[in-house]
Amino acid sequence: GENVEQHPSTLSVQEGDSAVIKCTYSDSASNYFPWYKQELGKGPQLIIDIRSNVGEKKDQRIAVTLNKTAKHFSLHITETQPEDSAVYFCAASMVTGNQFYFGTGTSLTVIP
Amino acid sequence: GAGVSQSPSNKVTEKGKDVELRCDPISGHTALYWYRQSLGQGLEFLIYFQGNSAPDKSGLPSDRFSAERTGGSVSTLTIQRTQQEDSAVYLCASSPDRSTDTQYFGPGTRLTVL
Repeated sequence: GENVEQHPSTLSVQEGDSAVIKCTYSDSASNYFPWYKQELGKGPQLIIDIRSNVGEKKDQRIAVTLNKTAKHFSLHITETQPEDSAVYFCAASMVTGNQFYFGTGTSLTVIP
Repeated sequence: GAGVSQSPSNKVTEKGKDVELRCDPISGHTALYWYRQSLGQGLEFLIYFQGNSAPDKSGLPSDRFSAERTGGSVSTLTIQRTQQEDSAVYLCASSPDRSTDTQYFGPGTRLTVL
């Protein structure tokens, strides 16, 4: 089955700097890659996603890139703010499957 | 509109007791997922419902775990004879259709087994 690895597990950045979180996946059939933000005591919330027919997607300060050949995708947050502090999860899914495979999460801390 | 809701938000039970966790998905969403999140860990897939199809139960960790989805809407996750290792946050998510559609998560139920 699919295996998703996520790095780093923890990340601290100064406010205003950029943060990058990387994930790799093992099954080339995966074609949908969402990113979720989970704040303390809440369920994960989708922040951005990308499908395998595009290489990059951007939404204001958040962007995701996908390299299908290398089977990795990354989340980029620019101009970080304290409210970006949370746990971020990547996931991979395929159209023929029922499951989403999640990474183990990255705890991001933005230092004011 | 209303999002995914789960109840109770917190549940404390004694080892050996049965528990039921409830999920109300977003109206009209045909796909529903249950996940388990242990402290500091990622999301562990438990079960998936899609419309009237037979559920994908491949993630259930033991036969003490079961789930139902009545009328294609509300779902109940049941854990029988709870063990301390069952302590976790149980998350429910729904999506409009198949696995490549966006999942919308509920706030979770925090289960503590004493």
